This record gives sequence, C-alpha cells and structure tokens, in this order.
Amino acid sequence: GQNIDQPTEMTATEGAIVQINCTYQTSGFNGLFWYQQHAGEAPTFLSYNVLDGLEEKGRFSSFLSRSKGYSYLLLKELQMKDSASYLCAVLDSNYQLIWGAGTKLIIKP
Amino acid sequence: GAVVSQHPSWVICKSGTSVKIECRSLDFQATTMFWYRQFPKQSLMLMATSNEGSKATYEQGVEKDKFLINHASLTLSTLTVTSAHPEDSSFYICSASTGLADTDTQYFGPGTRLTVL
Repeated sequence: GQNIDQPTEMTATEGAIVQINCTYQTSGFNGLFWYQQHAGEAPTFLSYNVLDGLEEKGRFSSFLSRSKGYSYLLLKELQMKDSASYLCAVLDSNYQLIWGAGTKLIIKP
Repeated sequence: GAVVSQHPSWVICKSGTSVKIECRSLDFQATTMFWYRQFPKQSLMLMATSNEGSKATYEQGVEKDKFLINHASLTLSTLTVTSAHPEDSSFYICSASTGLADTDTQYFGPGTRLTVL
C-alpha cells in the first residue's frame, strides 16, 4: 500500500531551527509537496521537490532523497507565526496526491 | 487512520457538460467537508465548506450555481461542475473532518484531475 509518515507533533523554541521529516512509500513518484496549514485556514504551498537535493527559499528549505523515500522541511529562525501544521504530500504515478497526516509544530517563546 | 477517497481520479469532458466528483470518508463520519482547487505548484484555494445536512458556504468569488455541492450524508459530499469550460480545468481536492473543533484535523483526498476540452 501507499504510505506517508511524518511525526504527529513537534515543539521548538522561537529563534531556533526545526526539521520535520517525511518518509514515503508510494506507487511511483512525480514530486513531493510541503504545505503549511494554520488552524481554520487552507493549506499554503511551501515547496515542491522532484529532484534530489536541497531547495532553499528564505527561512524554509526542503530536501529530497528519492532513493531513500525521504524528505525533510527545515525551518530556520523560528517565529511564533510558524506554529501550524505541516503537511507532506507525494504525487504518485497516477498523479494522485498521497497525503501525510501532518505534523503539528508548536513554537514556544 | 482516516481515509478519504475521491471518484473519479481524473476526468476529461467536453465544454458545456457537467461533471460530478465524489468525496467519501471511508472509516469515519465527516460532519464537515471542504472542497479545494489547486493550480500547479500553488496553494490550495478553498472553494467551499459543507456541513452535513445544510447548504454549503462558498468562498468569495466562487459561483455557487456553477459549483454545486451536496453533503447528503456523513460520509459523502459531491461537487458538480456545471456547464464546464476549459478554464475550469484544474485539480480538485476534498478534505474531511469530524468538525468537532475549529482546529480539528482535515484529512485530504487524493484529488480529481478535471480537463475540459
């Protein structure tokens, strides 16, 4: 079956760095998305990786290793507004999105 | 875990026809279902929120007469794109939650890719 695993919840301190991991087992691979979702709001697109490596975009970076079925989202200089759920989703061979359950990130002062 | 399915996975239709997309929660009762639209590498755009047994709440700019939403049971919501046009071609994603709290987790479906010729 198809499966996406990410931690349920993480806690970090304001100003610190946090890495949210995502491992996947899917039938085919056409890219991996990271979304941020604040409570009661629609998910916001953060990144899309289809090739191995690290992509940096401001305070957020996303890494992909297709051979390991692994990705992470790295958040630097954490701010209180970064408290949200972070969703990992893989586009499979049929271009269907397979979603992780999301990681709730709690930022403490 | 909670599973949400969508049917069909993809559909191609002619301009002017109507297309129905189903969203089902397979192992839980979804009091609230959400319909999103996604363009490539962009954020999900919320189209409407539907609560079982009541009329859907549409986001500003979404035509309720064009995108008909029915949430007749706790496990099924349908989105009908009426008189579809090529600009309606998109990836439509639904999500479902138990609706117990504002911060309740949403479980997302795999999406339906609509292409209107």
